[in-house]
Formats: sequence, structure tokens, C-alpha cells
Amino acid sequence: DSGVTQTPKHLITATGQRVTLRCSPRSGDLSVYWYQQSLDQGLQFLIQYYNGEERAKGNILERFSAQQFPDLHSELNLSSLELGDSALYFCASSGTASNTGELFFGEGSRLTVL
Amino acid sequence: TQLLEQSPQFLSIQEGENLTVYCNSSSVFSSLQWYRQEPGEGPVLLVTVVTGGEVKKLKRLTFQFGDARKDSSLHITAAQPGDTGLYLCAGGPSGGSNYKLTFGKGTLLTVNP
Repeated sequence: DSGVTQTPKHLITATGQRVTLRCSPRSGDLSVYWYQQSLDQGLQFLIQYYNGEERAKGNILERFSAQQFPDLHSELNLSSLELGDSALYFCASSGTASNTGELFFGEGSRLTVL
Repeated sequence: TQLLEQSPQFLSIQEGENLTVYCNSSSVFSSLQWYRQEPGEGPVLLVTVVTGGEVKKLKRLTFQFGDARKDSSLHITAAQPGDTGLYLCAGGPSGGSNYKLTFGKGTLLTVNP
């Protein structure tokens, strides 16, 4: 158990819809990261928050947005969903914003867009 | 954009065999991490290497960071079925102040009993 909690574990929805994925980081960790994992693209970094502020941005689509709340939990919002958005979405946390900090991953949220 | 190429993409071996998987890039990384991901789970960190030429051992697993900090290898001795999983390498950017790991696509290892 990494200590990172993600909900929901599975989500099935239709094209055009909007979903919200939730992540609670490990106790005390200030950094939260969102990753998308698909078979063809591998694990792609989407966005990082550190203590409520956006710290780094990766290949996140404009249809996607995220935020980190004062209690440090984070939400990833995916809107106008397309078939290609079907993937595993992972949240990870770390206690540092440095380059060598270990990432602790949650079990992921599997999104299926029909 | 920094890219990490992992090879082989798939590897299926028998219990007791040795194997090496590779992680290569044209970019320099300040650190290199190896993760293992099992089905239905998130990746779990195995090791972090930060110095060019560094070798770290974790039981039957040996990790090496290239001298130029552009590549890394993972060697498993006497593989066991419990070693089955997706092995991911991830590089930390050199010279950047933001933390943004770049992951390779992974090597899917199957160890057959």
C-alpha cells in the first residue's frame, strides 16, 4: 500500500461527457502528479502541483484540468471526452519537489470512454 | 523533449535464467529511477541512481547508470516468477528546477515457472 488513494478505480462513460478523478496523497506529501498510461504511449506526465500551486505541466490537453486543494488532495477533470481518452490515470505523490524524490503511485483509475 | 527508449519491449524467460533490460536516451539526466508495475497496480520504485557509473544492487537485481548519465541497465540474476511485471525507467531532467520525470514505455517481463 503506497498510501496514495485514487477514486474511482473504474469508470465507464460516453463520448462528450465529463468526469472527475480524485487523489489523496500520502500523509505529509506536498507534491501531487497526474499521469496517463496507455498501451501505445506508455506513462505520460500530465501535470504536477506542489502545495496547491501548479509546478510543472506536461502533455495535458486543454480539455483536461486539475487542481490541488488546501487539504492537498487533488482532482483531475476530463471534459468533452473522446474515445482516445480511454486509459489508466495515475496519481502520484512525493514529499519533495526535487529531481530525485521517490514517487508513490496510487492504484490508478481506469477510464473507458464508449 | 527528453525521450527514454527501453529494450526489449517484451521478454519471456524461464525461471532461473538471467536477463538484462536497457534504458537509453540521447539526453543527460540528473537521476534515473527504475520502477516495477504489476497488473492492476501503480508503479513501485525499485532504485534511484544519481551518479554516472553508479552501480546499485537490490538482492538479485543490479542497476547501473551510464558514465554519461544517458543510459541505464537492469540485470536480474536467476529470475523468479515473482519478478514478472512491467519494468519502467524514468529520468529526472538535468539542469531544470521543476520535477518532471520522463518515463520509458517499459519492458514487460514474464518469468515462467
